[in-house]
Amino acid sequence: AQTVTQSQPEMSVQEAETVTLSCTYDTSESDYYLFWYKQPPSRQMILVIRQEAYKQQNATENRFSVNFQKAAKSFSLKISDSQLGDAAMYFCAYFSGNAGGTSYGKLTFGQGTILTVHP
Amino acid sequence: DTGVSQDPRHKITKRGQNVTFRCDPISEHNRLYWYRQTLGQGPEFLTYFQNEAQLEKSRLLSDRFSAERPKGSFSTLEIQRTEQGDSAMYLCASSLAMGYGYTFGSGTRLTVV
Repeated sequence: AQTVTQSQPEMSVQEAETVTLSCTYDTSESDYYLFWYKQPPSRQMILVIRQEAYKQQNATENRFSVNFQKAAKSFSLKISDSQLGDAAMYFCAYFSGNAGGTSYGKLTFGQGTILTVHP
Repeated sequence: DTGVSQDPRHKITKRGQNVTFRCDPISEHNRLYWYRQTLGQGPEFLTYFQNEAQLEKSRLLSDRFSAERPKGSFSTLEIQRTEQGDSAMYLCASSLAMGYGYTFGSGTRLTVV
């Protein structure tokens, strides 16, 4: 089964600075998708960014970008110009597109990283 | 359509009681997922539906748990004979197609006392 590891339980950043959250995953599949989700305290989880494994170009959504290193099975999230509203728990997640695999069709999440933004 | 709705938001129940949660997905989404999340952890997969068919059920889901999605619309998750270990946030999510990410609801927080 696929596993997702977030090795940083907590991170902090000053407002307007840049922070990078780490994620590694383990898979033998070639067809998959990777996601970063944000879960603010007591609020629902929202999608931040999505990456398709077959695309070499790193995904970008405004201040959020990823560094996708397929060979290293690494998928880090960079938040530029951090804002107070970025404070949340961030989850890295893996989605298998390999029909017949044990993880097909569902998201597998990492343990999460709590991001604190200091004014 | 305002997103995925879950009801109730909070539920406190006594050990041994049965509880049922409801999830209303985004109307055009044919896939619906249930996850469980304990404090400070990532969500764990429980089960998912494509339309009305339940395609997979996690080994985490004991026989006390059952989920339905009649007519491929809303879904219910029932826990029978609740135990203190069932205390968690139960998240519902829906998606339109494979690989496009989920839209999550706000969750139902269950406390078993």
